[in-house]
Amino acid sequence: GESVGLHLPTLSVQEGDNSIINCAYSNSASDYFIWYKQESGKGPQFIIDIRSNMDKRQGQRVTVLLNKTVKHLSLQIAATQPGDSAVYFCAEDWAGTYKYIFGTGTRLKVLA
Amino acid sequence: DTGVSQDPRHKITKRGQNVTFRCDPISEHNRLYWYRQTLGQGPEFLTYFQNEAQLEKSRLLSDRFSAERPKGSFSTLEIQRTEQGDSAMYLCASSLAGQGVQYFGPGTRLLVL
Repeated sequence: GESVGLHLPTLSVQEGDNSIINCAYSNSASDYFIWYKQESGKGPQFIIDIRSNMDKRQGQRVTVLLNKTVKHLSLQIAATQPGDSAVYFCAEDWAGTYKYIFGTGTRLKVLA
Repeated sequence: DTGVSQDPRHKITKRGQNVTFRCDPISEHNRLYWYRQTLGQGPEFLTYFQNEAQLEKSRLLSDRFSAERPKGSFSTLEIQRTEQGDSAMYLCASSLAGQGVQYFGPGTRLLVL
């Protein structure tokens, strides 16, 4: 299949370990943030979102942390599985319009 | 499948030709977005509609690009006089107004020779 990103930062983790993917956002006025997973040749798939009035939100095996002081987001994936291998993007809602500004992306490789 | 669909999935064209892509959003979604993604980059916003009204266009959207959503359901994105720099994945997403999550389609991969 096609490669989503050829020169993205890469995080390699052992199957079963926890993964932490980091993202810096641009606009201190952004009030909504979202993480997507993108597999090769496919569109981005929603993982989890968080509003700026929260610091943490948990989903199934995933947790998003928001640090507004330093404009930083992180995505934690517990017990990483081979199916988690993909490129992960964070996005911020610019000026409250739901027009997303995407980050660079991180490729997650899960090692068996 | 009740997700966002896009057609075609792949398009190869020669420089100077016109191309048109179609997006069918999730049926009850009134907002529809177009993004462009090049290799190694995140998607870049192009334009969005609420119902049939085109509410915002990025400066990335040159005069050669036009998008429509005539009945507030499906949308088309046309590129006239294609250039090699137009080669990219064109992604469509939809959402309910006031709700943050945008659901993306599989994209249309355009290659301009």
